[in-house]
Amino acid sequence: QTVVTQEPSFSVSPGGTVTLTCGLTSGSVSTSYYPSWLQQTPGQAPRTLIYSTNSRSSGVPDRFSGSIRGNKAALTLTGAQADDESDYYCALYMGNGIWVFGGGTKVTVL
Amino acid sequence: QLQLQESGPGLGKPSETLSLTCTVSGGSITSSSYHWGWIRQPPGKGLEWIASIYYTGTTYYNPSLKSRVAISADASKNQFSLKLSSVTAADTAVYYCARLSMTAGSYWGQGTLVTVSS
Repeated sequence: QTVVTQEPSFSVSPGGTVTLTCGLTSGSVSTSYYPSWLQQTPGQAPRTLIYSTNSRSSGVPDRFSGSIRGNKAALTLTGAQADDESDYYCALYMGNGIWVFGGGTKVTVL
Repeated sequence: QLQLQESGPGLGKPSETLSLTCTVSGGSITSSSYHWGWIRQPPGKGLEWIASIYYTGTTYYNPSLKSRVAISADASKNQFSLKLSSVTAADTAVYYCARLSMTAGSYWGQGTLVTVSS
């Protein structure tokens, strides 16, 4: 069974840049998986930051950007702020109606 | 503005069937190209997709849960529902309903905590 992989945690300094990745235990992530990125703060529902690889949801700051880097999807946060401290999940559409989430990355801003 | 609201019992007993409903407002569950799905999150853990129903009525299930799950929709009420049978403590989680889309991102309800305990 294919598993979606994410880094468990990342630390970034205020104003710094961090890139999170989303891979597969078997194969490469491509735009055909329509990768999306979700942000979740404690006690809240996830909200979509990026969908379809690199499209930003309405109201999402442009310091968040999505891309494909090598064989993985990537979320880059440029100019990190304290309120960016959250859990970030990637989601892939595997086809045939199947969706899979990564295990999430906890981002700390300090 | 699209809104999704989960409803259902917050407590269930082992071996029982869990039933949840998602009421959608500000949009139609028969809108083209959207999946309407259920995702859960055990306390302190990550997200797990459970099942979806496409706007055509086609259903899709997580293979690991398929034998215990049923998703259905009622277009007249603009609702879709989840039934999870033979629940155990491992099914304790926050259950979210969401509109899923490859080309428009996902939109989530606030979630409802379901605890399975005797």
